[in-house]
Order: sequence, then structure tokens, then C-alpha cells
Amino acid sequence: EDQVTQSPEALRLQEGESSSLNCSYTVSGLRGLFWYRQDPGKGPEFLFTLYSAGEEKEKERLKATLTKKESFLHITAPKPEDSATYLCAVQADGGSYIPTFGRGTSLIVHP
Amino acid sequence: SAVISQKPSRDICQRGTSLTIQCQVDSQVTMMFWYRQQPGQSLTLIATANQGSEATYESGFVIDKFPISRPNLTFSTLTVSNMSPEDSSIYLCSVLTGGETQYFGPGTRLLVL
Repeated sequence: EDQVTQSPEALRLQEGESSSLNCSYTVSGLRGLFWYRQDPGKGPEFLFTLYSAGEEKEKERLKATLTKKESFLHITAPKPEDSATYLCAVQADGGSYIPTFGRGTSLIVHP
Repeated sequence: SAVISQKPSRDICQRGTSLTIQCQVDSQVTMMFWYRQQPGQSLTLIATANQGSEATYESGFVIDKFPISRPNLTFSTLTVSNMSPEDSSIYLCSVLTGGETQYFGPGTRLLVL
């Protein structure tokens, strides 16, 4: 059974204080790993897809990296508008295309 | 990518009633899904909406409670039947594009009194 564990559950940062969110996964074969941002009361917004170990993707202050067991979402010099819940999901090779989601990390950035 | 809209965006309903949520996509997609997200929780898949056939439900969800229609490749509805306060959640429509990336609608916030 595919499993996704995100840590920490919640993270409070000061504006400008860089940090990383972790997504550990167990899957028989990885087709893709996805990061989403979700604002309160809204649907998840797609951020990145990573396919293979060593791959990196960047968008503004966010950078996602991937190893064979985990992914990190690095947030550089965050701003209050980066406050949101960040969800990680993995899609397994073969069979269903339906991803397995983690429980998310709730990030609050204080001004 | 895909642009997804949902109606209504939110509603407050009385227990015992039913609510139908609509999902419209701006392009034809093969796979559409319905999720539920209870307060403070992650996403729970309710069912895969299949065009032209009955939806495929996940464990714990049944057609009598959550009937789903998918008349074409751009539209689907989810009905939450005989509602109770435990059905208060955000309901999300989602599509899979190119067999890879999953996009979500803005969600329908439901409160059952």
C-alpha cells in the first residue's frame, strides 16, 4: 500500500526565515510526486511534479527536490502570503492513476 | 492545465435534505473525481466519475448516499443525500490531465445544521 507522510504537521516562521517541508513516501514504483498549495476553504493549487531522484523544480520562493524516499519543499525568505497548507501526493507506476495524498503541512509566516 | 468551476461555492443545508454539486471543466478530460475534505483533514477520495457508466466508489462511500452523474467529458454532478451534520465538509471536483497531473476545482463548502 502506498503511503505518504508529511512533516512537520505545522510550521511557524518569521518573514525571511527559510525552512523546508518534508514528504516521505513508500510506493512500489514512483510515477510522479506532486506538491500542492491549499489556502483555507479553497481547492488545492498545483505547484510541481517530480519524476525521478535528483530532479529539482523552482517557482518563485519555492524549490522542490526528490530522492528515492522523500521530497523536500524548500521555502526561501518566505513572505506572509506564502502561508497555506502544502500537500504532497505520490502516483504509483502501473494500475490506477489516482495519487495518494499526505495530510499536509500547515505553514504560517509571520510578518 | 484545466480550469474547473464548481457550483455552489458554499451552502448551508438542513439535515435530511439533499444537495447537488456541479462541476464544469473547460476541456474534455477522461478522468474526473470527487473528494471530500473534512475540517483539518487531508483529501478523501469519494469516487471516480465515469462517463457513460456508473461511478466507481471508494471503500466507505455508497451510491445511495453520494449519487454521481457524468453525462459528458466536461461535466459531472455529486449529490449528497439525506444529509447529516457529519456531512459538513469541503467537496472537491478534480480532473486528471494526460494521465499525470491532477487539478482541483475551488471546492464547495457545505454546512449541515
